[in-house]
Amino acid sequence: NAGVTQTPKFQVLKTGQSMTLQCAQDMNHNSMYWYRQDPGMGLRLIYYSASEGTTDKGEVPNGYNVSRLNKREFSLRLESAAPSQTSVYFCASSEVRGSGPEAFFGQGTRLTVV
Amino acid sequence: RKEVEQDPGPFNVPEGATVAFNCTYSNSASQSFFWYRQDCRKEPKLLMSVYSSGNEDGRFTAQLNRASQYISLLIRDSKLSDSATYLCVVNIGTGNQFYFGTGTSLTVIP
Repeated sequence: NAGVTQTPKFQVLKTGQSMTLQCAQDMNHNSMYWYRQDPGMGLRLIYYSASEGTTDKGEVPNGYNVSRLNKREFSLRLESAAPSQTSVYFCASSEVRGSGPEAFFGQGTRLTVV
Repeated sequence: RKEVEQDPGPFNVPEGATVAFNCTYSNSASQSFFWYRQDCRKEPKLLMSVYSSGNEDGRFTAQLNRASQYISLLIRDSKLSDSATYLCVVNIGTGNQFYFGTGTSLTVIP
């Protein structure tokens, strides 16, 4: 059971380049999320998708776009990368369980923008 | 104002010690509460959910005070393997959003 799979694991971009981070989950979860994690800032929600066909902004959406391609896949796009977007990006998915929702995370993408 | 506030630490404690972490949340609509553990350069993983009545899992005890909007985690008999960052997390039901604290760093020293 793979859980949540993110690609790539590492990426270096030049300022102004674009790229798409891919995320897929095989747990049939309705909700998916993109977070970024910076030192001293914790995980901050960029965008989330409560169900297939819907996406909503989180705390720090500027400079990003997302696509919920189907129930399994949720991609994050940087149209014009900036050094401030250097971060570790985590994709997650969740489903409500008896004891409340639990979020499962991918292994992260370490992105450096130079 | 941040949704979730935590003392970042670091906490450096000897093996066998008891250590407590605290967390406050700002949104009274928060519905579910959790502690996650994150090892260095790894993804966060669920440690335990937090219930209003308090709950225990081995050496770990979690408490929730809805009136004060306060969550705690107590670790007894600390092990070297407990060294990690502990993240306080709340789930706001609308949209099923999770909000994370900045994390509290724990190092257990031999």
